[in-house]
Amino acid sequence: QQQVKQSPQSLIVQKGGISIINCAYENTAFDYFPWYQQFPGKGPALLIAIRPDVSEKKEGRFTISFNKSAKQFSLHIMDSQPGDSATYFCAASMNFGNEKLTFGTGTRLTIIP
Amino acid sequence: EPEVTQTPSHQVTQMGQEVILRCVPISNHLYFYWYRQILGQKVEFLVSFYNNEISEKSEIFDDQFSVERPDGSNFTLKIRSTKLEDSAMYFCASSLDRAGSETQYFGPGTRLLVL
Repeated sequence: QQQVKQSPQSLIVQKGGISIINCAYENTAFDYFPWYQQFPGKGPALLIAIRPDVSEKKEGRFTISFNKSAKQFSLHIMDSQPGDSATYFCAASMNFGNEKLTFGTGTRLTIIP
Repeated sequence: EPEVTQTPSHQVTQMGQEVILRCVPISNHLYFYWYRQILGQKVEFLVSFYNNEISEKSEIFDDQFSVERPDGSNFTLKIRSTKLEDSAMYFCASSLDRAGSETQYFGPGTRLLVL
């Protein structure tokens, strides 16, 4: 019940296209859903996060869509750029991010010219 | 911009040896965490620490592991007798407080290799 399932495992998108990564969770006590971006050899860096009281949050080219009834959330990267090539992890937490993070399995995103 | 720092960046040790991984969390943060990431796998929670005591630990965090905040700035993870399967990237993270909306900020990690 603590798992967060993430798909796809890897994704190749053409430059300028839309990258979409999906996550699903079981535990309805989760109330904070961040996305982290990780480059090789680096720590996860917070990209964008959402709480379940809104269905969408947009920051620049990054948008989280949240479906509370389906217990699913997704990351959309608009106008994908080669610099976006990284591994993306969704995560979930309770108490607005101040409890342990439960991570998804990660998606390796490659943006090709 | 404030950041979490970790030392060393790489550590190679022999099986059975003790290692101490060090972290300096963001200065006004009150919650501290250790996670690990085995190569190619997801990031896994190890332990959380608040008010000088462990608030939660995972099943991975057995008696071989301990955490300490020896002074006002450092947060350490000790592995008493390392095993081959402890080889991983270890990340420290910190967050502001339960009432805040800040999420956890991660350090760059320490890559531990146990031979």
